[in-house]
Amino acid sequence: QVQLQESGPGLVKPSETLSLTCTVSGGSVSSGSYYWSWIRQSPGKGLEWIGYIYYSGSTNYNPSLKSRVTISVDTSKNQFSLKLSSVTAADTAVYYCARTVGVTTGYFQHWGQGTLVTVSS
Amino acid sequence: EIVLTQSPGTLSLSPGERATLSCRASQSVSSSYLAWYQQKPGQAPRLLIYGASSRATGIPDRFSGSGSGTDFTLTISRLEPEDFAVYYCQQYGNSPGTFGQGTKLEIK
Repeated sequence: QVQLQESGPGLVKPSETLSLTCTVSGGSVSSGSYYWSWIRQSPGKGLEWIGYIYYSGSTNYNPSLKSRVTISVDTSKNQFSLKLSSVTAADTAVYYCARTVGVTTGYFQHWGQGTLVTVSS
Repeated sequence: EIVLTQSPGTLSLSPGERATLSCRASQSVSSSYLAWYQQKPGQAPRLLIYGASSRATGIPDRFSGSGSGTDFTLTISRLEPEDFAVYYCQQYGNSPGTFGQGTKLEIK
């Protein structure tokens, strides 16, 4: 059974860059059958897809965040990562990583437990 | 982007009853690329249904999905105590994928 675990700072200052890593166990990020996504959930905006990466490095981002988002993959560590720049309080949310199946942006087959990131000085 | 509207916002039912949750899209969802998730407090969402009507691995057959185009339904045939949670629909046929705002299923 694949498991995903998010890690990274729980507190980020406004205007700085949020950085999170998702470690995958019980499966490989190099599998050609899946994409690897980041999703966030906040009380104000609900669930929001941020973007995904394929093992080859190909990415697809939500246009609403595209100018600030970078997702990368490290197949040697079986991890993928999220960077979100120039954060504001509106970026405060629980961030999830997920194994993704299917077309366009896909559906989210397995999720990490989530990590709360608060943007505050 | 496609906006998904779920109704009702809250549904109050008793164990053993049938639950019907609605998800309406602002435009047609390509190829019925619609999923349903269940979320309990403090937990990540869990995939229940994909492709509008296919149950995910390990999901009991009391959960069923139906619909096409702009109107989709999640039905729970006989509610168990563990089914009381928040349910979200998500479309993935058009980019960006989007979620509904959720239906809270609470014990009456």
